[in-house]
Amino acid sequence: GQNIDQPTEMTATEGAIVQINCTYQTSGFNGLFWYQQHAGEAPTFLSYNVLDGLEEKGRFSSFLSRSKGYSYLLLKELQMKDSASYLCAPMDSNYQLIWGAGTKLIIKP
Amino acid sequence: IAGITQAPTSQILAAGRRMTLRCTQDMRHNAMYWYRQDLGLGLRLIHYSNTAGTTGKGEVPDGYSVSRANTDDFPLTLASAVPSQTSVYFCASSDSSSTETDTQYFGPGTRLTVL
Repeated sequence: GQNIDQPTEMTATEGAIVQINCTYQTSGFNGLFWYQQHAGEAPTFLSYNVLDGLEEKGRFSSFLSRSKGYSYLLLKELQMKDSASYLCAPMDSNYQLIWGAGTKLIIKP
Repeated sequence: IAGITQAPTSQILAAGRRMTLRCTQDMRHNAMYWYRQDLGLGLRLIHYSNTAGTTGKGEVPDGYSVSRANTDDFPLTLASAVPSQTSVYFCASSDSSSTETDTQYFGPGTRLTVL
């Protein structure tokens, strides 16, 4: 079966760095997306990885290891507005996104 | 219109009633999707459409139907609503459904409560 595993909730301090991990098992693989979702709002695209390695985009970076079925999202210089849920979504062989339940990130001053 | 819109924003519905959730995009995207999101669960795909005139079933299609008469609109219909269909419904679109680089863009969602 297809399965996504990410922590339910994490807490971090403003200005710090946090890493949100995601492990996955899918039928085939065509890349992995990360989305941000603020409470009561729609998911918004953050990053996409299809090759192994780190993709950096401003304060956010995303890493992928296809052989390990593992990805992480790294958030630097945390701001209060980064309090949100972060959704890991690998794409399977049918180009369908398989969504994790998300990691709720709480930022404290 | 800019992007993807959904209507209504929220709705309270009596069980057994018929309801259509509307979704419109102006990005000329070929592919469109309907998801439901429930607390503690990931987004689950209900139905999708790779291009106008075609539709397909997702992970949880029972009790729902869709149509795709044109590129812009992708309505979702609950023929006879049941309380288990209480959820937040998101419509999304992407330029294509057959390449790995096609990002899905989401509408603001419809919060549906079935009593």
